Amino acid sequence: QTVVTQEPSLTVSPGGTVTLTCASSTGAVTSSYSPNWFQQKPGQTPRALIYTTSNKHSWTPARFSGSLLGGKAALTLSGVQPEDEAEYYCLLYYGGAWVFGGGTKLTVL
Amino acid sequence: QVQLQQWGAGLLKPSETLSLTCTVYGGSLSGDYWIWIRQSPGKGLEWIGDINHSGNTNYNPSLKSRVTISVDTSKNQFSLKLTSVTAADAAVYYCARNFDIWGQGTMVTVSS
Repeated sequence: QTVVTQEPSLTVSPGGTVTLTCASSTGAVTSSYSPNWFQQKPGQTPRALIYTTSNKHSWTPARFSGSLLGGKAALTLSGVQPEDEAEYYCLLYYGGAWVFGGGTKLTVL
Repeated sequence: QVQLQQWGAGLLKPSETLSLTCTVYGGSLSGDYWIWIRQSPGKGLEWIGDINHSGNTNYNPSLKSRVTISVDTSKNQFSLKLTSVTAADAAVYYCARNFDIWGQGTMVTVSS
């Protein structure tokens, strides 16, 4: 069974920069895994942020960026705002099947 | 812009069949993948499966034996059926387009 692993929790100061990562139990994550990133705040529907590694949706704030880093998919927030406190999920594609990561709870403190 | 509105029974008894439908407003079913996702209380997201306008489907292997996703292009709708539900299937179920546009979610409770 394929497992996608994210940091359970991270803390960042307002204005700071933080990188969330997404690893696959099958090995290095490449662009063929089509990494997606989502933000979910309590009681809300998940909101798509990044698709196919680094592409932003029209509504994605410029401070969010996606990349591949050290064999993992990565989401970097630069100039973190208090409203960025949320759960973040990555999603990877495995040839016909998609697997979500367990989520990273980002605290802005 | 495209919006998704979903509905279906929110309270089921064990062994019953979950049935949800998602209507697409502001666009057609062509050219995209239409997806079902669920989130158990306090837990993460789980991809259930997807379908395109031609009816080609992909299912989560862990649910494949119980899941059917279908599409009705005449009504601009796609649907989810999950048979033999148990308490483990209690979750908020979401429909989505290509993972970018999401429905509002339907909370499904399984209780005798």
